Amino acid sequence: EAGVAQSPRYKIIEKRQSVAFWCNPISGHATLYWYQQILGQGPKLLIQFQNNGVVDDSQLPKDRFSAERLKGVDSTLKIQPAKLEDSAVYLCASSLHSAYTEAFFGQGTRLTVV
Amino acid sequence: GESVGLHLPTLSVQEGDNSIINCAYSNSASDYFIWYKQESGKGPQFIIDIRSNMDKRQGQRVTVLLNKTVKHLSLQIAATQPGDSAVYFCAEILYNQGGKLIFGQGTELSVKP
Repeated sequence: EAGVAQSPRYKIIEKRQSVAFWCNPISGHATLYWYQQILGQGPKLLIQFQNNGVVDDSQLPKDRFSAERLKGVDSTLKIQPAKLEDSAVYLCASSLHSAYTEAFFGQGTRLTVV
Repeated sequence: GESVGLHLPTLSVQEGDNSIINCAYSNSASDYFIWYKQESGKGPQFIIDIRSNMDKRQGQRVTVLLNKTVKHLSLQIAATQPGDSAVYFCAEILYNQGGKLIFGQGTELSVKP
């Protein structure tokens, strides 16, 4: 079974630039999560999708971050404009459905903002 | 803020010893908990889960204990091996908040040969 795919693996940008991350979840998984993980901390939930609808985006900085899940499958997370404090690993995860099923994580995208 | 937290940020054990990693949670409505292992440069990997109607669950070399009275969760690793060195996170699903999966800060386990 193929896992959660993320790209790019690494990205370095200057502050105020834009960046986008892509996630392809495990086939058939209805729930998709985006997390931000700052070095030395646990993953922080940014947004959760159920199919193509948003379940929770309460911790997404909506003035600069946006996310969409096209046709309930792939998802993109965008930052525009980026700040230095956005430097982190961005993790995508998917689960069959959120109820009593574990989430499977991708390798993440390491973003460095300089 | 996060509702799940860990007591110790680091834990060092001798190879072959048992490891115990602790976690406290604050949301009494949580009814599903997961332990994840994260190695350097990788995403979190599922280890074991437990529902709130259980107080113990065993896997291969791992046991999770849940004490709902004091809102405490622990992960026990038997005969710890060098390959167990990683950061361990407890996480909970908040069904009263649409099924949010929330992580604690993590404990770094270091296994000495």
